[in-house]
Amino acid sequence: AQKVTQAQTEISVVEKEDVTLDCVYETRDTTYYLFWYKQPPSGELVFLIRRNSFDEQNEISGRYSWNFQKSTSSFNFTITASQVVDSAVYFCALSELSSNTGKLIFGQGTTLQVKP
Amino acid sequence: KAGVTQTPRYLIKTRGQQVTLSCSPISGHRSVSWYQQTPGQGLQFLFEYFSETQRNKGNFPGRFSGRQFSNSRSEMNVSTLELGDSALYLCASSAGTTDTDTQYFGPGTRLTVL
Repeated sequence: AQKVTQAQTEISVVEKEDVTLDCVYETRDTTYYLFWYKQPPSGELVFLIRRNSFDEQNEISGRYSWNFQKSTSSFNFTITASQVVDSAVYFCALSELSSNTGKLIFGQGTTLQVKP
Repeated sequence: KAGVTQTPRYLIKTRGQQVTLSCSPISGHRSVSWYQQTPGQGLQFLFEYFSETQRNKGNFPGRFSGRQFSNSRSEMNVSTLELGDSALYLCASSAGTTDTDTQYFGPGTRLTVL
């Protein structure tokens, strides 16, 4: 069965600290996609990154970086030098090619609080 | 390009009533998906529409229904509201050219059932 687990419910850091958000997924498909979304207090889910199962290259975008490891079924997200504006709920999500058109399976989310 | 828009942003209803939520996708996007977000269950997939056809459906009772119009705008209807239907309802649009296109979300409609 497909599943996404974000074991960290809440993380609190002080500004400028680095922080890693963990994501572990389960799927039987060989072709799938992984996503990270950010949900600020306003409620809208903001797309951050999409990764397909055949591309294990790590990615860096400014202060954000993602580490995809198929061997451990993990897709972790690191924020370097965190800022107060990074405070939000972050969701990891899975989309399978086989039978789940238009369906994202979300983890429970990690609430990140960055204190000044 | 304008993002996904949802109306209304807030709704208060009483048990037993019905409600209709609206979603306008990003221009050119043909797929619209709906999700329910609650503190207890998190984000759960309701259904997905493409070219006015429902292509996928989550595990929700028949009280939850939707439709899509020829301009790709979508509506979601919940009949005979229950207290447990109080949630943030999010709609997302994608190009629909592949089954796993990136979904872009709207701001949501917060429904409170009293």
